[in-house]
Amino acid sequence: QVQLQESGPGLVKPSETLSLTCTVSGGSISSTSYYWGWIRQPPGKGLEWIGTLYYSGSTSYSASTFYNPSLKSRVTISVDTSKNQVSLKLNSVTAADTAVYYCATPGDYIDYWGQGTLVTVSS
Amino acid sequence: EIVLTQSPATLSLSPGERATLSCRASQSVSRFLAWYQQKPGQAPRLLIYDASYRATGTPARFSGSGSGTDFTLTISSLEPEDFAVYYCQQRGNWPLTFGGGTKVEIK
Repeated sequence: QVQLQESGPGLVKPSETLSLTCTVSGGSISSTSYYWGWIRQPPGKGLEWIGTLYYSGSTSYSASTFYNPSLKSRVTISVDTSKNQVSLKLNSVTAADTAVYYCATPGDYIDYWGQGTLVTVSS
Repeated sequence: EIVLTQSPATLSLSPGERATLSCRASQSVSRFLAWYQQKPGQAPRLLIYDASYRATGTPARFSGSGSGTDFTLTISSLEPEDFAVYYCQQRGNWPLTFGGGTKVEIK
């Protein structure tokens, strides 16, 4: 059973970079069985897919990423296979980026979700 | 980008009643649609995938139907734990998109 745990600052200043880490347990981040990524939900609003990383290859590190076009210019999702972690960086944040950020497995459907972490953008 | 429109926004029903939720896609997603349930303070939970298949642990009172652009989630007889927000999600095309949600509340 895959478990996901988000961590990172709960408060980020406008124009700075939001950085979150998700620690994966119960499964290997380098497994080709899962997609890894992030979804967010502004307070009281709906869900928005941010991006997905798919790791492939058993002999060399090779990952493909897919990003929401509305965020693509500001987003980077990466993995650290040695720590079994997936990370999110979102640049140049504004108040509109205030949301609960979920680490998840957004390949086709989303079987696994972290508990979510609230990130507030405010000075 | 495929836009998913859910209706109604809010459904007020009593326990034991039947709930019918709708999700309409701006273009065909074949049967590549899922439904999620979200309770306050919790992450969403996958209920239905590929339009009509129940995910592991989903009670039989939940059923999904539809294809192309029109989909329905039916809860045959509402239990107290079913009052929540429900989202549809398509995987027919990137980017993955979600509907705006339907809140099922106690009447």
